[in-house]
Amino acid sequence: EIVLTQSPGTLSLSPGERATLSCRASQSVSSSKLAWYQQTPGQAPRLLMYGASSRATGIPDRFSGSGSGTDFTLTISRLEPEDFAMYYCQQYGSSPYTFGQGTKLEIK
Amino acid sequence: EVQLVESGGGLVKPGESLRLSCAASGFTFSNAWMSWVRQAPGKGLEWVGRIKSKTDGGTTDYAAPVKGRFIISRDDSKNTLYLQINSLKTEDTAVYYCTTFSSGWYWGQGTLVTVSS
Repeated sequence: EIVLTQSPGTLSLSPGERATLSCRASQSVSSSKLAWYQQTPGQAPRLLMYGASSRATGIPDRFSGSGSGTDFTLTISRLEPEDFAMYYCQQYGSSPYTFGQGTKLEIK
Repeated sequence: EVQLVESGGGLVKPGESLRLSCAASGFTFSNAWMSWVRQAPGKGLEWVGRIKSKTDGGTTDYAAPVKGRFIISRDDSKNTLYLQINSLKTEDTAVYYCTTFSSGWYWGQGTLVTVSS
């Protein structure tokens, strides 16, 4: 089983700042099959990125994903108020598909 | 447009069974690999298991914590995915989502299962 470790656990930033979220895998993620989600309380997760760097439909271009192998990054170039939420990574390259424990992005 | 609509959740007692359904539309369901994901209150996302398309063997995979109690099945004639949960435990309390990949991951809105005596 691939274990995903997200860091930091909590990220405190201000609107307009740049956010960098990390997702590290215990072994290589096949074909960069890694997704990023945003979740706000009471809502289903919203897909941001898939294939490590492909932006999902309707996602603003301030969101970008990068990485391969075992190290992946989600970058939000300029934080908007609506970006403060929980973020999860997921690998779907090998079963069992696994999620990271999440990074909480909070307003400083 | 891909749509996934879960149903069947509710309040159940420990030891009971429950079957969740996921009605799919907007894509060729019979060709799709389908997954279930759950989220306990205040916790993170947990992948439960998946079922491949029949053309890819129709086999199932499960996360270790649910193996032996959860059964995923599909009815391609009804475009519906199922999750049978047996011997429910309090720790199965969660929102259950069905998901599928089609140039990106699609999720339903989830159905809440509460296990309590």
